[in-house]
Amino acid sequence: NAGVTQTPKFQVLKTGQSMTLQCAQDMNHEYMSWYRQDPGMGLRLIHYSVGAGITDQGEVPNGYNVSRSTTEDFPLRLLSAAPSQTSVYFCATTGPRRTEAFFGQGTRLTVV
Amino acid sequence: GQQLNQSPQSMFIQEGEDVSMNCTSSSIFNTWLWYKQDPGEGPVLLIALYKAGELTSNGRLTAQFGITRKDSFLNISASIPSDVGIYFCAGRDGNKLVFGAGTILRVKS
Repeated sequence: NAGVTQTPKFQVLKTGQSMTLQCAQDMNHEYMSWYRQDPGMGLRLIHYSVGAGITDQGEVPNGYNVSRSTTEDFPLRLLSAAPSQTSVYFCATTGPRRTEAFFGQGTRLTVV
Repeated sequence: GQQLNQSPQSMFIQEGEDVSMNCTSSSIFNTWLWYKQDPGEGPVLLIALYKAGELTSNGRLTAQFGITRKDSFLNISASIPSDVGIYFCAGRDGNKLVFGAGTILRVKS
């Protein structure tokens, strides 16, 4: 049982490039979310999904797109990478009680 | 948006000492969570609190959900080197979790 799997673990992009961060879960949870973690700022919610076909914006959605075609997968797309998007990105799922969140190991993204 | 004020920002303590950290908010939360993050890893849930006034323990960790529902604290007793890491509080707001900025714990053995 892998839980929440994120790929890649590390990525370097040039400004203006696009890419997709992958997140897959095998916990059959409806709720999935993406956070970014920056020094001294904790985790900030980018986008979330309460089930397949449903997504919504979090606190810092600009520059990111998401889709949720299956329960298992919740990819995060950077449309045109900017240095301000250099961060560590975490995907999380939440069980039926909508309380405890289970996190992946993170993707460390650097935009140069 | 909502903000959680977590303090202290960092702590440097002797092994064996007790540790206390807390989170306060201007908004009410119905659930408080405490997470620990090790270097290079994602946060891992330590304790979940669901009712105002609730006091819950997990080994050497004890956390309480404030009566006003606007605060929570986490205590670690008899700290050991593996307690090193970043501790986050989080409050649940509907479908979303709001996180504090974290407390960095460093233990001197």
